[in-house]
Amino acid sequence: DVKVTQSSRYLVKRTGEKVFLECVQDMDHENMFWYRQDPGLGLRLIYFSYDVKMKEKGDIPEGYSVSREKKERFSLILESASTNQTSMYLCASRQGTGNRERSPLHFGNGTRLTVT
Amino acid sequence: GDSVTQMEGPVTLSEEAFLTINCTYTATGYPSLFWYVQYPGEGLQLLLKATKADDKGSNKGFEATYRKETTSFHLEKGSVQVSDSAVYFCALSVLNTGFQKLVFGTGTRLLVSP
Repeated sequence: DVKVTQSSRYLVKRTGEKVFLECVQDMDHENMFWYRQDPGLGLRLIYFSYDVKMKEKGDIPEGYSVSREKKERFSLILESASTNQTSMYLCASRQGTGNRERSPLHFGNGTRLTVT
Repeated sequence: GDSVTQMEGPVTLSEEAFLTINCTYTATGYPSLFWYVQYPGEGLQLLLKATKADDKGSNKGFEATYRKETTSFHLEKGSVQVSDSAVYFCALSVLNTGFQKLVFGTGTRLLVSP
């Protein structure tokens, strides 16, 4: 079974702090994703990566950056946290060759971030 | 643009009742369609999928048929259990600038009482 592990279940940070959310997958998947989940808005794609050191902006990249130095790890970075970034963050991975795969996503259990 | 519309929740049912959660989509090209489920405190997991028109996806007693003529992918189950209480997300996968992008609906919460 694919396992996607997010390093923290809950995080509380202060406005202006730099925040790192870590995600590791153990199935050698090429594609990895960061979503945020908010009530009434569903899941919105922040950034994705289809290979090591590759990254692409999703639908709501403002205020975020990402890092993919190793295939198994995909980090989401909030450069200067703000209260409107309080949310549930979900990491996902997908098997893919190149960037045309229709395989399903495998999700981690999420990190609930509160910015005060 | 590409989008998915789901019925508003919560959907409240008694155990053994019949379930339908409506999902319609708008997409260019030929999307694949998915239902994901999120149990309390967990991430999303794939429930079922269909990759072309008239395909029926099924898993754990749930079914959904890809209807191109009505652009729909409604989720059904004949007899729900308390353990089915969760949030259900309809999603489509469509080719976007050379990459398969997944677009999610807003989710529908299902509450099943004994």
